[in-house]
Amino acid sequence: ILNVEQSPQSLHVQEGDSTNFTCSFPSSNFYALHWYRWETAKSPEALFVMTLNGDEKKKGRISATLNTKEGYSYLYIKGSQPEDSATYLCASRGQNFVFGPGTRLSVLP
Amino acid sequence: ETGVTQTPRHLVMGMTNKKSLKCEQHLGHNAMYWYKQSAKKPLELMFVYNFKEQTENNSVPSRFSPECPNSSHLFLHLHTLQPEDSALYLCASSQAVGETQYFGPGTRLLVL
Repeated sequence: ILNVEQSPQSLHVQEGDSTNFTCSFPSSNFYALHWYRWETAKSPEALFVMTLNGDEKKKGRISATLNTKEGYSYLYIKGSQPEDSATYLCASRGQNFVFGPGTRLSVLP
Repeated sequence: ETGVTQTPRHLVMGMTNKKSLKCEQHLGHNAMYWYKQSAKKPLELMFVYNFKEQTENNSVPSRFSPECPNSSHLFLHLHTLQPEDSALYLCASSQAVGETQYFGPGTRLLVL
């Protein structure tokens, strides 16, 4: 993988559902993996930074895991709420700092 | 409020104009970044400054000229832009290069 990829591109879930999405990144020359949340009309907001294989981070109902050997990270949201609606970006810091295209999450009340 | 401000928030310019975007961070960070987000594309890193020195230039055309007079201020000077340069330009800062970045609200640029 030469670029940072995210899937799915967009996602609609009902309030209360749990969901997850994926970030794939080059596993060579890896330094750190960042997750950001970008709400419409606001600035991207940092969620997590992970550096070590097997890292897990949690912030309220949101958590993330990291696999540096195979080059992927999962972001999980438990019990989605309408205020979770945003685009979730991952960014890989290796030789360069590269953002993925994002997963646009819509949580329907 | 992230501690990173950008002005102007919106800018319309002709292809022959010269304008500048300004970014200021009040976080005591040492690294600052310019990003471009075009419609339906990922955020693209343009420039990185560390302690006022440019450390990355991701093949950005010379019609974009960055300036970092000190660790708190970052400018992007624009001249003879093209319509395809219309985009959202985001500034960010971090304590050190590669660490968590704090983003400004962006400048939405339209080139006519």
